[in-house]
Amino acid sequence: DAGVTQSPTHLIKTRGQHVTLRCSPISGHKSVSWYQQVLGQGPQFIFQYYEKEERGRGNFPDRFSARQFPNYSSELNVNALLLGDSALYLCASSFQGAVQPQHFGDGTRLSIL
Amino acid sequence: GESVGLHLPTLSVQEGDNSIINCAYSNSASDYFIWYKQESGKGPQFIIDIRSNMDKRQGQRVTVLLNKTVKHLSLQIAATQPGDSAVYFCAENIYGGRRADGLTFGKGTHLIIQP
Repeated sequence: DAGVTQSPTHLIKTRGQHVTLRCSPISGHKSVSWYQQVLGQGPQFIFQYYEKEERGRGNFPDRFSARQFPNYSSELNVNALLLGDSALYLCASSFQGAVQPQHFGDGTRLSIL
Repeated sequence: GESVGLHLPTLSVQEGDNSIINCAYSNSASDYFIWYKQESGKGPQFIIDIRSNMDKRQGQRVTVLLNKTVKHLSLQIAATQPGDSAVYFCAENIYGGRRADGLTFGKGTHLIIQP
């Protein structure tokens, strides 16, 4: 069975642009979470979606938004990109929103110039 | 070898020895804990989890120990192999809670296997 898949794998943007990152969960998983991982640190929670509804939000500015589609795939959108948004963006899926464990994809490496 | 995950980011052990990676968590309300392994260029890979109603859980070559009194978690890897080289993260959350604020990760420990 396929694991969590994310696209694109790498992306280069400039300050002020916006970006959309995509995630397909493991088949049968209904919950998707997004994390930001800065080099040398652990992942930080951004959003969790379950059954297409936002169930949790981390301490990130409103420039970050997400949504989940009827097929449980998800998009993370970031507007007005800043240099500090350069990071690895990870998507994780789990069967239910509050029932762990979460299984991660290999992420999208976003570089802001 | 033994390390405190939050204060000693690198642990070096000889191949074949046992490794112990430690983690201190901060939220006394956390009742679910996970260990992840992250290799270079990849996402975190689930290793083992434990709920707060347990103090020990074993998997294949790995054991997780939970001490709720001192809010301490450890991961033991038996007979460490070169493929175990990676950064190991502990993560905590509240199991089944209505609050869904995601996993809180520790800073990670880089495990290096010496031949």
